[in-house]
Amino acid sequence: AQSVTQPDIHITVSEGASLELRCNYSYGATPYLFWYVQSPGQGLQLLLKYFSGDTLVQGIKGFEAEFKRSQSSFNLRKPSVHWSDAAEYFCAVGAIFGDQFYFGTGTSLTVIP
Amino acid sequence: EAGVAQSPRYKIIEKRQSVAFWCNPISGHATLYWYQQILGQGPKLLIQFQNNGVVDDSQLPKDRFSAERLKGVDSTLKIQPAKLEDSAVYLCASSLEGEQYFGPGTRLTVT
Repeated sequence: AQSVTQPDIHITVSEGASLELRCNYSYGATPYLFWYVQSPGQGLQLLLKYFSGDTLVQGIKGFEAEFKRSQSSFNLRKPSVHWSDAAEYFCAVGAIFGDQFYFGTGTSLTVIP
Repeated sequence: EAGVAQSPRYKIIEKRQSVAFWCNPISGHATLYWYQQILGQGPKLLIQFQNNGVVDDSQLPKDRFSAERLKGVDSTLKIQPAKLEDSAVYLCASSLEGEQYFGPGTRLTVT
């Protein structure tokens, strides 16, 4: 069955500290992986995506993610968190041509000064 | 490039009433999705259209929810009659070659 697991419901980090959000997936075909960010009252904004090639992908706002097939993981990282990064983060898996997306339950990030 | 448009942004109704949401996808995007996002959860797909045909509606509660996409562009999602548990944000997305673009959502409160 297709599914996405985000083990951390809520994470708190200090501004300037590094961040890693975990994502594990189960998908029957070649996975296409995505990270979205959702600020309060806003829609989902794509941070980055992995389709193929280099397993370390760079996204917007200084985020990066690494695809590890052997671990079925696609963890999101940022070396130095800014207060504006406080939001809900969703990992998703799907296929490139019109297949359904499966979202994780999200990780809520709080950034303290 | 204009993004995905949705209206209304907020709606409050009483249970057993009906409600409709509208979505205008990005021009040229053939695939359109409606998601339901309950507070504290990730988005759950309700229905997926490819042009004006339904690709997947397996998770759409068809006894009360309906959706259409006339002429393969705009789409409407309707709930009739609404239940308390339908309180959620309803997100519309459109896609081109796998990347989904989301609208701002409609926050529905059923009292």
